[in-house]
Amino acid sequence: QKEVEQDPGPLSVPEGAIVSLNCTYSNSAFQYFMWYRQYSRKGPELLMYTYSSGNKEDGRFTAQVDKSSKYISLFIRDSQPSDSATYLCAMSAGGSYIPTFGRGTSLIVHP
Amino acid sequence: NAGVTQTPKFQVLKTGQSMTLQCAQDMNHNSMYWYRQDPGMGLRLIYYSASEGTTDKGEVPNGYNVSRLNKREFSLRLESAAPSQTSVYFCASSDRGPAEAFFGQGTRLTVV
Repeated sequence: QKEVEQDPGPLSVPEGAIVSLNCTYSNSAFQYFMWYRQYSRKGPELLMYTYSSGNKEDGRFTAQVDKSSKYISLFIRDSQPSDSATYLCAMSAGGSYIPTFGRGTSLIVHP
Repeated sequence: NAGVTQTPKFQVLKTGQSMTLQCAQDMNHNSMYWYRQDPGMGLRLIYYSASEGTTDKGEVPNGYNVSRLNKREFSLRLESAAPSQTSVYFCASSDRGPAEAFFGQGTRLTVV
């Protein structure tokens, strides 16, 4: 079993929908939680970063971390076709800070 | 700002050939990483360098070697390429603090 599990999708939604992307993890030492967005044939780029539990909001994006359940989520409100990409969750522990990635979820937002 | 620059962007190798993938960052980051990305497998860590002069194995190091030439540059070498090494390779860098990694654009490698 991988340390970080993420459903690869694809997830197809209509424009304007609320999207929920999720990851689960098994390593209790993870303290830093990130979401990356990767467009086709590009490198991943950091979207959101959260330390420990709680919520963080940035425009249409909200990241949630529930350490008790070892579960993190990324919500996208009013989704746009330009949000179509692969979303990767990543986590790291204090000390090494080396990110461990999920497999990524492919999101398609159709007009 | 260039960020993380990888060369080459594309490469085709024959089985048994060797090559070096180059990576340079201009953000003065201490840590650098090499990942490979395969369909359905996500990003898997090959090697990393926590600081200049140190390197350590990641999840899938077999068949690869690395060199941290200086603080800016971190190269990945395939000594004898195999078809199983066909993949997209990403270099990344980050500060030693919170793991906010910045990625290059990737090298698409095909081994035939």
